[in-house]
Amino acid sequence: EVQLVESGGGLVQPGGSLRLSCIVSGFRFSDYWMSWVRQAPGGGLEWVAKIKHDGSEEYYVDSVRGRFSLSRDNSKNSLLLQMNSLRAEDTALYFCARARRIHSYDAFDFWGQGTMVTVSS
Amino acid sequence: AIRMTQSPSSVSAFTGDRVTITCRASQGVSSYLAWYQQSPGKAPKLLIYAASSLQNGVPSRFSGSGSGTDFTLTIDSLQSEDSAIYYCLQYYTFSPAFGQGTKVEIK
Repeated sequence: EVQLVESGGGLVQPGGSLRLSCIVSGFRFSDYWMSWVRQAPGGGLEWVAKIKHDGSEEYYVDSVRGRFSLSRDNSKNSLLLQMNSLRAEDTALYFCARARRIHSYDAFDFWGQGTMVTVSS
Repeated sequence: AIRMTQSPSSVSAFTGDRVTITCRASQGVSSYLAWYQQSPGKAPKLLIYAASSLQNGVPSRFSGSGSGTDFTLTIDSLQSEDSAIYYCLQYYTFSPAFGQGTKVEIK
């Protein structure tokens, strides 16, 4: 059974940092592009970042580029999102999601349940 | 960046009705378009990928069509469990983008 479990969310002050983790099981993690998608309270879905299956390429939405950094450890089946210089507008539920096909940035077929990040003083 | 615009923003229909949601891309995305269903408190669920391919396990009353810039999600014979928010997603570019969502309610 495919599972994605996020952790690391919490309350942080503006300008602070937080590190989110996504641990996966039930599939060969090293074969899949992975993404983070966020959803502000009462809002829609926003793609945040993605990383190639071998970790050699990363892409970010403009609003987080230079502040967020995505990495992965294929030996530990883990995806990490380092978030720095956090702003109030980064407040959201953060989901990790898997691309549908191996070695391809595709639609997201499996999602975690999300971890909440709140940026407030 | 490619912008995705959905319409309508909300729709209310009776069980058994057909519901159609449209999604328009600001630039062509070929067939790299997916549809998701999100119920309250849940993660999004993939319904359709490649514009018209039904994801495994999704009821056949859901269908998708379109290519380029204009896409449609159709729900034939609406069921009570279809009450949710539906999002389109383009994954043609290195920066995927979602539509703003369409809320489907049951009368």
